[in-house]
Amino acid sequence: AQSVAQPEDQVNVAEGNPLTVKCTYSVSGNPYLFWYVQYPNRGLQFLLKYITGDNLVKGSYGFEAEFNKSQTSFHLKKPSALVSDSALYFCAVRDIMDTGRRALTFGSGTRLQVQP
Amino acid sequence: GAVVSQHPSRVICKSGTSVKIECRSLDFQATTMFWYRQFPKQSLMLMATSNEGSKATYEQGVEKDKFLINHASLTLSTLTVTSAHPEDSSFYICSASSGGAGEQFFGPGTRLTVL
Repeated sequence: AQSVAQPEDQVNVAEGNPLTVKCTYSVSGNPYLFWYVQYPNRGLQFLLKYITGDNLVKGSYGFEAEFNKSQTSFHLKKPSALVSDSALYFCAVRDIMDTGRRALTFGSGTRLQVQP
Repeated sequence: GAVVSQHPSRVICKSGTSVKIECRSLDFQATTMFWYRQFPKQSLMLMATSNEGSKATYEQGVEKDKFLINHASLTLSTLTVTSAHPEDSSFYICSASSGGAGEQFFGPGTRLTVL
């Protein structure tokens, strides 16, 4: 079984400061990892993914995430937060070996609040 | 590219009626579509996975006779909530994937309110 943990319900950061949203995962094999962002009453927007290769993945809107296999983590980061980054962020995982179902398992979500 | 639409965006219906929600991939062929349900301030819960031309695979606890899913083409999947009840009120989100290791692209969601 695969699972994702986002230990923080909410992260508060001042505009211009760096932000980190934490994610740890558990899969039987190797993971595909994703970050999505959700604005109120909207669907999810894809930010970035890790499939293979470089552990540091760069995505949309200046976000990046680092895959750490030993710590089974995939934390989302941004060097300088914007007020417009305030939203709900979801980490998701899929086991590479899951070639049938191919569904994502989502974390519980972390609300990011960027104060001006 | 990779745009997924959902229709309607919002629907209010009376208890006992059926509601159909459409999910379309506008600029790519979606071999697989997924239907999720999201309760307020909670994560997405996968309801079912549908592959074009075959029956949907439902997650444990999801009633297949209540949530009918049809994936008739590579660009369209529908979810029909039959005999809706107030407890079915939720935010329903579909996603589409072209397969392989590709990410899922999500629709904007449909807010269902059953009175």
